[in-house]
This record gives sequence, C-alpha cells and structure tokens, in this order.
Amino acid sequence: DAGVIQSPRHEVTEMGQEVTLRCKPISGHDYLFWYRQTMMRGLELLIYFNNNVPIDDSGMPEDRFSAKMPNASFSTLKIQPSEPRDSAVYFCASRRRLAGTYNEQFFGPGTRLTVL
Amino acid sequence: EDKVVQSPLSLVVHEGDTVTLNCSYEVTNFRSLLWYKQEKKAPTFLFMLTSSGIEKKSGRLSSILDKKELFSILNITATQTGDSAVYLCAVEGGTSYGKLTFGQGTILTVHP
Repeated sequence: DAGVIQSPRHEVTEMGQEVTLRCKPISGHDYLFWYRQTMMRGLELLIYFNNNVPIDDSGMPEDRFSAKMPNASFSTLKIQPSEPRDSAVYFCASRRRLAGTYNEQFFGPGTRLTVL
Repeated sequence: EDKVVQSPLSLVVHEGDTVTLNCSYEVTNFRSLLWYKQEKKAPTFLFMLTSSGIEKKSGRLSSILDKKELFSILNITATQTGDSAVYLCAVEGGTSYGKLTFGQGTILTVHP
C-alpha cells in the first residue's frame, strides 16, 4: 500500500496567488481529513469528508479556503488568494471505518507551504 | 468545545531514562484516545485506547487510559536518542464521527 499521497511536497508562492494542494487517500478508506500545522497553533483540523461528502468544515479559517473531494481517490485544498499567514504544513489523512471498530488515521507526508 | 491538554510541553532526558507523558481531555461522547509520534515528518500512529485500565504495550512504549479521571499516560522506558520526537495525543468524540482533536504535543529530547 502506497499510503496517503500528497502533492506538492513543497510550495513557495507569492501573496495573492492561488494555491492548490492535492491528496490521494489510501484505497478503501472512506474518511479524508485536511489538517494544518504551525508552531503557534499545533495541528488543527480544517475539514473532513466521509464518502466524498464534507461533514465538518468548521475549522476552515475563512472563505479563502475551499476543499473538494470529487471522487473516493482524490481531494484538493485550495487557497485563493494566499496570504503569508497561511504558511504552514498541510497534512491530509485518511481512515476507514469498520462496523463496531475504531481505527486510526493515517497521515500523508504533508505539503510545506510558504507564502512570501 | 473539545479540549486536549498535554504535559509537559517539553522534556529533556538522557538515554536510559524513563519518561511519562500526560494527556488530559474534555470531550462529549468520548470514543477513543490516540497517541502519535511525530519526527520531522507526518505523525505516525502508536496506540489507540478505548477502555479504562487496559494497558497497550509496544516494545518500550506503553499507554493506559483512565476514563473516570479523563486522562492517559504514555510511558517510554530505557529511552534512546531515536525516541526524540513530538508526541501527540488526540481524542475522538462529540457528534462527528472520525474527528480527532489534538493536544499541543510534548517535545521529547533524548541526549546520548
């Protein structure tokens, strides 16, 4: 199993530009999560999907952020326009729910975003 | 609002020492507590705890949950420099299945 795949691994952009982060969850996993990690705020959940449907987007900081999951094997997180305070590591994670059992989330390698 | 608090925030020890990391939580409809280890990359899963008093063990690491007092501990015995990492505690609960609330982490540094 390839694990959760994220691209790009590093992104450097200028303020005002659009940024798109991509994630491919582990095959068979029906939950997908987007997190942001900074030194100041730690690991924060931005949004998560179940069976491609957004369930909770209360962590999305503002309208500049949007996320989509058009199918079970792909999700995007878009920031438009980007600002320097968006600089962080963005993680995607996936999880499979099995009836009657709890299971862990598997994290991707992350995308390190720097907005100049 | 769900809350997870870890202590200490950082810890410096020497190889061979034993460490105990703490995690306390406030969450409605508690379902599980998870421990992750994060080196300079993505968090990797260590343990999941759902029942009080049952110790989970993996090599030199062990963890236990107290659902009455709302806390968990992670023990590492005979620490090695490779144990240096951020240890994250997360709790699943509330009305949204699958959603984890993370603590701020404990930074463990093990010196040779």
